[in-house]
Amino acid sequence: AQKVTQAQTEISVVEKEDVTLDCVYETRDTTYYLFWYKQPPSGELVFLIRRNSFDEQNEISGRYSWNFQKSTSSFNFTITASQVVDSAVYFCALSEGGGVASGGSNYKLTFGKGTLLTVNP
Amino acid sequence: EAQVTQNPRYLITVTGKKLTVTCSQNMNHEYMSWYRQDPGLGLRQIYYSMNVEVTDKGDVPEGYKVSRKEKRNFPLILESPSPNQTSLYFCASSLAGYNSPLHFGNGTRLTVT
Repeated sequence: AQKVTQAQTEISVVEKEDVTLDCVYETRDTTYYLFWYKQPPSGELVFLIRRNSFDEQNEISGRYSWNFQKSTSSFNFTITASQVVDSAVYFCALSEGGGVASGGSNYKLTFGKGTLLTVNP
Repeated sequence: EAQVTQNPRYLITVTGKKLTVTCSQNMNHEYMSWYRQDPGLGLRQIYYSMNVEVTDKGDVPEGYKVSRKEKRNFPLILESPSPNQTSLYFCASSLAGYNSPLHFGNGTRLTVT
């Protein structure tokens, strides 16, 4: 069964600090997708990034970067020079590719429990 | 505007009184899903649907029903709500299922007394 662990329940930083949110996953499938979503205080859920299991290239988008390492089953998210607007709950999620190892469950998406990031001015 | 629309945003009801939370998307997405969000538990999948008339259970389906009679609509039905179903519910859709990003509705906060 697939599993996503976000060990950091809450993180508090001061503006302009860099912060890394950890995500560790478990899957028996060789084909899978990893996602990060953001939930600001207003409550909506916003997609940030998707990574497939065959693409281990790290990605940078402005102040955001993602480090995908299959060797450690991790997909960590770093915010550089954090800002107050980054305050939110961040969720990591895993979707398996529907192969035999996943029992054919093509469409189940498992979320971690989320990390509450508070950026203080 | 591309969106997933849930109604109502807030709902207070009593134990045992059947209710339906509606969900509609205008993006012609194949995949739709329902999640509940509870403190300390994150988001848990209730049911999902890959296409019209095709639905399957997620991780916490007990006490819920769904139907997918039309591609755009995916209502969540609580036949006999109980207080442990008090939660924040999200509907979501995506183009093709497991490999596509989800578009979420704004959520429905349900309280069952």
